[in-house]
Amino acid sequence: GAVVSQHPSWVICKSGTSVKIECRSLDFQATTMFWYRQFPKQSLMLMATSNEGSKATYEQGVEKDKFLINHASLTLSTLTVTSAHPEDSSFYICSARNPRGAGQPQHFGDGTRLSIL
Amino acid sequence: GQQLNQSPQSMFIQEGEDVSMNCTSSSIFNTWLWYKQEPGEGPVLLIALYKAGELTSNGRLTAQFGITRKDSFLNISASIPSDVGIYFCAGHYGGSQGNLIFGKGTKLSVKP
Repeated sequence: GAVVSQHPSWVICKSGTSVKIECRSLDFQATTMFWYRQFPKQSLMLMATSNEGSKATYEQGVEKDKFLINHASLTLSTLTVTSAHPEDSSFYICSARNPRGAGQPQHFGDGTRLSIL
Repeated sequence: GQQLNQSPQSMFIQEGEDVSMNCTSSSIFNTWLWYKQEPGEGPVLLIALYKAGELTSNGRLTAQFGITRKDSFLNISASIPSDVGIYFCAGHYGGSQGNLIFGKGTKLSVKP
C-alpha cells in the first residue's frame, strides 16, 4: 500500500490564490521530504528539500518566497504556492524516505495537479 | 549538474515482447532506482539497486547495476498491456543522502 499520501490530488483556482499541498508519510517518520515539479512530458525536477524543524533547502532558481515549505512534524510537510499564476500550473509531487536503514529509496505521493486560471 | 541519459525515449511494442531500457551517466552513482509513472500519478518504485553488479528481479522485471557504476538497465519480459507507462531511472551520487537525479523517462506503449 501507499507509504506517502499527498492531498489534494487536483486543484483549480483563480490567479492570485494561494494553494497549500500536504504530504504525509504513513508508515514512518520522515525527517526529510522532497518536493518535485513535473511539466507535461518531462521528468521530475527537484524544487526543495523539506527538513523537519528547520528551514527547507531550495534548488537553484526556485523562489523560496513563492513556494513556502513547512515541515512541522515528522509525518507532514506542506508546500504553499503563494499568489499562484498560470505559469505555476504543473504537477507537484512529494516524496519521503524512511530514515531507518541505510539507503532507503524515496517513495512518492500520487501528485497534485495544479491548474491556475 | 549531474545528468542521466535514458534511452530509448519511447517504445511501441507488441504484447508478449521483451523490453529493454537503460540509463548512463558520466559520473559514478551509488544507487540506481527504477520507477514507473502512470498518467496523473506519482512514480512507483519498481526496483532499487545498491551494489555494482547487482542483478535484481521483481516479477517480470529485471534490473542491473552496472559494474562501472555509471549505468543501469531495466528489462521487462513478456510485456502485457498494463505495462504501459513512463519508466524513469534515478540515482544518487555522492552518497546515498545526496539528491535523487532522474532520467528523462522511457514511454512504453504495448499493443494488445
